[in-house]
Order: sequence, then C-alpha cells, then structure tokens
Amino acid sequence: GNSVTQMEGPVTLSEEAFLTINCTYTATGYPSLFWYVQYPGEGLQLLLKATKADDKGSNKGFEATYRKETTSFHLEKGSVQVSDSAVYFCALRVRGFKTIFGAGTRLFVKA
Amino acid sequence: DVKVTQSSRYLVKRTGEKVFLECVQDMDHENMFWYRQDPGLGLRLIYFSYDVKMKEKGDIPEGYSVSREKKERFSLILESASTNQTSMYLCASKTSTDTQYFGPGTRLTVL
Repeated sequence: GNSVTQMEGPVTLSEEAFLTINCTYTATGYPSLFWYVQYPGEGLQLLLKATKADDKGSNKGFEATYRKETTSFHLEKGSVQVSDSAVYFCALRVRGFKTIFGAGTRLFVKA
Repeated sequence: DVKVTQSSRYLVKRTGEKVFLECVQDMDHENMFWYRQDPGLGLRLIYFSYDVKMKEKGDIPEGYSVSREKKERFSLILESASTNQTSMYLCASKTSTDTQYFGPGTRLTVL
C-alpha cells in the first residue's frame, strides 16, 4: 500500500541552524510528493511539492528533492528562524483524490 | 486568496449528542475533504466529495456521515458523539491540481 514515514519530533534547533526533516515513502506507481506546514492555531498550508523524479520543490528557503532511487523527499533549510516553528507534514498522492499524510514533525526554533 | 472556513474553532459536546461541523470554501473547488488530526497519527481521511451530492468514504468513516448539498459547503455529521471522537477536525478543498487548501480546524471535545 501507499504510506509516508517521517522522522519523529520534536526537533529543536537554534536560530540560523541547518534543518533536515527526513521523509520516505512507499507507493504503487509514480506519486506526487508534498510538504505541508501547520503554524500554531492554523490549518495546513502547502509549503512545496514535486511531481516527478529529480524535481526539486522550493519555497521560503525550504527545499526538497524527489529521490526515486531512495524513495525519499527530505525537507531542508539552510538557516532556520524562530518563525519557522511549526509542524511539518510530508505527503503523497498516487492517483485519484486521496492524499496520504505522514504523522508530522514538530519543529521548535530557539532565539 | 483561497479561503476555507469552518463553523467553529472550539466545540464541546456531550456523549450521544448529534454534532454538525460545517466547512465553506469560496473558490468553486469541486473536491472537498474532511480529516481528523490526532497526535502521532497525522491526518486521516474521514470522507471526501468530488461533486455536489457525491461522497466517498475515506479511511475512517465509521461513526461519521457527510452532506454536500451545495458546491461550496461540505458538512461533517457525528450522529451520536462518543469520547473517542474527541479530536481536531480539518476541512480542505482542492483545485484541479494537487494543492489542498485547509481550514483552520475545529477542536472538538466530547465529554
């Protein structure tokens, strides 16, 4: 079946540190891959996406590359800010209407 | 900007009560979704709708029903609330592309 596994949190970093949140997936077919972010008290919003192998999604300094050979879509940012504190969800969609979400990784950034 | 609104941010109900959660989107999206979000489990799909009066069960439909009488409105109904339905409920709508737009969520507590 289709599934998403992402690293457990919370992840705690100091401001300007490098961020990696690991995400691996299992899918039949060729999925589209997403990172969504949920800021405190809000719903999820799309952060970035990639629709085919070797695509790189990027937004707000975050990047993730669709790696078919390792079935991964790790989220990275070179220098985090306090305002990046949120919960990050990796997700995939193979076909049809359903999107499969990971469990979420909470990030705390300290000033 | 796309806007998805949910009728309540916080709701407290008693066991056995009938509960209505409403979601409205203003972008003429055909696809709408109801998820519940629980710690460590991520988002799980309850029901979705791909058109007016059309609905499909998601992964955890038991104890829930839905209604979509108008394109912009998708309601989630708990016929007889139980304590294990205490959760955060998120509504989303989707464009013809992959991006889902989420409401702010309703935190439901069933006593």
